[in-house]
Amino acid sequence: EAGVTQSPTHLIKTRGQQATLRCSPISGHTSVYWYQQALGLGLQFLLWYDEGEERNRGNFPPRFSGRQFPNYSSELNVNALELEDSALYLCASSWPGAGTEAFFGQGTRLTVV
Amino acid sequence: GENVEQHPSTLSVQEGDSAVIKCTYSDSASNYFPWYKQELGKRPQLIIDIRSNVGEKKDQRIAVTLNKTAKHFSLHITETQPEDSAVYFCAASLTPTGTASKLTFGTGTRLQVTL
Repeated sequence: EAGVTQSPTHLIKTRGQQATLRCSPISGHTSVYWYQQALGLGLQFLLWYDEGEERNRGNFPPRFSGRQFPNYSSELNVNALELEDSALYLCASSWPGAGTEAFFGQGTRLTVV
Repeated sequence: GENVEQHPSTLSVQEGDSAVIKCTYSDSASNYFPWYKQELGKRPQLIIDIRSNVGEKKDQRIAVTLNKTAKHFSLHITETQPEDSAVYFCAASLTPTGTASKLTFGTGTRLQVTL
């Protein structure tokens, strides 16, 4: 069974540009979570999608947005990139149901120059 | 919303010693508490979890304890080995029956096991 996959692995953008990150969850998982991990810091919650709907978002500005497609894959879009957006963006997915393990992808390393 | 605090931020132990990482959470309704290990350059992976109807859970050298009254839970690693060196994250979530939920993570503990 394939794990959570993210693309691209690395992404370099210029300040002010837009970035699109993609995540494919494990087959059967309906929930997708996005986290930002800046260097030396913890996992900051960005967005949670379940069954195609945004369930919750973290304390990030509106230029961070995303969506979940009918096949449960997800996209994270970051508009008007700023230097401090440089980080590892991790996607995780889980089965529907109470208290289930979240499986992480390998992440997309976004660098804004 | 839920807030999870984790201490210490860094921990250095000698091989063979025990390591303890502590977390507190704010939402008394939280009922699922996983621990993740993230090795350098790799993705976080679940190592152990505990639910609110259990006070302690063990898996070989790893154990987790939960005190619901005090709203804190801890990870205990005994007989530490160099391969235990990693960043450890605690998390808490409220999981209404039949639905998924959002994990709120602690800030992480960098564990270094020295020879």
